[in-house]
Amino acid sequence: ILNVEQSPQSLHVQEGDSTNFTCSFPSSNFYALHWYRWETAKSPEALFVMTLNGDEKKKGRISATLNTKEGYSYLYIKGSQPEDSATYLCASGNNRLAFGKGNQVVVIP
Amino acid sequence: GAVVSQHPSWVICKSGTSVKIECRSLDFQATTMFWYRQFPKQSLMLMATSNEGSKATYEQGVEKDKFLINHASLTLSTLTVTSAHPEDSSFYICSARPPGRQTYNEQFFGPGTRLTVL
Repeated sequence: ILNVEQSPQSLHVQEGDSTNFTCSFPSSNFYALHWYRWETAKSPEALFVMTLNGDEKKKGRISATLNTKEGYSYLYIKGSQPEDSATYLCASGNNRLAFGKGNQVVVIP
Repeated sequence: GAVVSQHPSWVICKSGTSVKIECRSLDFQATTMFWYRQFPKQSLMLMATSNEGSKATYEQGVEKDKFLINHASLTLSTLTVTSAHPEDSSFYICSARPPGRQTYNEQFFGPGTRLTVL
């Protein structure tokens, strides 16, 4: 089972501020990195699947970068809004996805 | 698209009883579904991979006789927790993989089921 770690575990952000957090994963035998956004009482929503070193993907105000050589991915939220409050999960792996514990984001109005 | 439902969303049962959780792909057919479990403040842990028409593949440490998985159709997988005990209390969540998404194992999740065993 891959060891996937996310930091910080939780963060509070003032509305309008930008923020970012980290997902670390084993760089050896890297296959793909997934980001999900998970709001309370809802299904985790797939945000990005990243596969290539140097990949950068964007969805609205959310973007992610990938460094497979050093084994990390950053997720950025630009101009945070209350609706961005959620837990952001990352997962790595091939036929078995290993998840981190998540980054819990609370946007304060 | 790629909507997955799960039922029930929460269940409370007595120790020794069995509980069935359903996972449905609503707008696509899924030959492969996955069952995860999450304990408080922990990550999602894969329990088993469910393949339509064949036996599920269980992860190490997961008792197949306790957690029965049936994937009888391309849109439905069920997880039955047999003879449930308080230590089985957890959050169970399923995912389904649409056709053509095998390359990077892209999965779409249900909303999960909170199981409490008294």
